[in-house]
Amino acid sequence: AQSVTQLDSQVPVFEEAPVELRCNYSSSVSVYLFWYVQYPNQGLQLLLKYLSGSTLVESINGFEAEFNKSQTSFHLRKPSVHISDTAEYFCAVRFPHGSGNTGKLIFGQGTTLQVKP
Amino acid sequence: DTGVSQDPRHKITKRGQNVTFRCDPISEHNRLYWYRQTLGQGPEFLTYFQNEAQLEKSRLLSDRFSAERPKGSFSTLEIQRTEQGDSAMYLCASSPGRAGRRNSPLHFGNGTRLTVT
Repeated sequence: AQSVTQLDSQVPVFEEAPVELRCNYSSSVSVYLFWYVQYPNQGLQLLLKYLSGSTLVESINGFEAEFNKSQTSFHLRKPSVHISDTAEYFCAVRFPHGSGNTGKLIFGQGTTLQVKP
Repeated sequence: DTGVSQDPRHKITKRGQNVTFRCDPISEHNRLYWYRQTLGQGPEFLTYFQNEAQLEKSRLLSDRFSAERPKGSFSTLEIQRTEQGDSAMYLCASSPGRAGRRNSPLHFGNGTRLTVT
């Protein structure tokens, strides 16, 4: 069965420090990988995605993630965080749609990023 | 693109009552997903519609839960005889389904928070 594991439930960090949120997945076939961010009392917003091609993907607000097939990981990083980055971050996998796959996302448990001044 | 809309945002109900939530997906998105998110957890898949057809249901979707998408546009999720364990955030997501965009990311609504007292 496919699964996603986010190794840290909470990550406290000071403002302007670097951060890494870890994500590992388990799958016997190729998957697409995503990071979503959720602010309090809101839905999930797509942060970045890996579908194919370059293994390093970047978002518009300074986050990046690297797909590592051998380690089945998709860790999220940012070199310098802001107070406004405080939120819940979810890693997710998705099978390519077709061949009976409905394209649903399977999520990890989430990591709370707490940025302190 | 007005985003995925969910109504109501909050619902408080007494145990044993029936509740119904509505989701309006992004226009022309023919794929619609329902998820449930409990406190401190990642979203869990409940069910999937392609147009008006319900093509996948999670085992989480007990017989007290029913979802419909009668005209392939908006969808409703009904919970009958609510229990305290049903308290959660119910999220709806949609994505395009036509050729060339089948693996587009899911777009999430802000959710309906259900509290069963």
